[in-house]
Amino acid sequence: EVRLVESGGGLVRPGGSLRLSCAASGFTFSAYTMHWVRQVPGKGLEWVSSIDKGSSDMYYADSLKGRFTISRDNAKNSLYLRMNSLRAADTAVYYCARLVCTGGSCYSDHWGQGALVTVSS
Amino acid sequence: SYVLTQPPSVSVAPGKSARVTCGGHNIGTKSVHWYQQKPGQAPVLVISYDSDRPSGIPERFSGSNSGNTATLTINRVEAGDEADYYCQVWDRDTNHPVFGGGTKLTFL
Repeated sequence: EVRLVESGGGLVRPGGSLRLSCAASGFTFSAYTMHWVRQVPGKGLEWVSSIDKGSSDMYYADSLKGRFTISRDNAKNSLYLRMNSLRAADTAVYYCARLVCTGGSCYSDHWGQGALVTVSS
Repeated sequence: SYVLTQPPSVSVAPGKSARVTCGGHNIGTKSVHWYQQKPGQAPVLVISYDSDRPSGIPERFSGSNSGNTATLTINRVEAGDEADYYCQVWDRDTNHPVFGGGTKLTFL
């Protein structure tokens, strides 16, 4: 069974930092591109960042560049998101998800349960 | 960047059919994926590549895509189908997913 379990969320002050982790199991983690998607409470889904299976290519939403860093450790079956200079607008549930790509399109077939990040003083 | 437009809400009577639309320029030339999200839960894939149902998704869920509109159809709607539904395409130019704003499906 595919499982994705996020951790590391919590309350952080504006300007602070946080690192989210996503522990993967039930599949060959190193064979998949992974990404982070966030959701402000009561709002829609927003893509945050993606990393390919070998960490060769990383992509970020334009609004986040320079503040967030995605990484992975295939030996530990883990995905990470380092978030710096956090703002109130970054308050959201952060989901890690597995990407399946074929025929020039990609979708997320498995999602974690999400980690809530609250940025507040 | 590419924009997907969904109606904020769709209402349906139990047992009837619900149609959730997703509009985008020439979306018929792209592959559209649909997710269902219930309150407090993570999204769940219900349709991939316009009309493919993952295992475990009831046959009541179907999808179509043509021209400037993709449509998710749910037949014989049940209480458990009340949820938010999101469409998604892949932006090849920027290498990331684009989500629609989501549609809340509610009972009349």
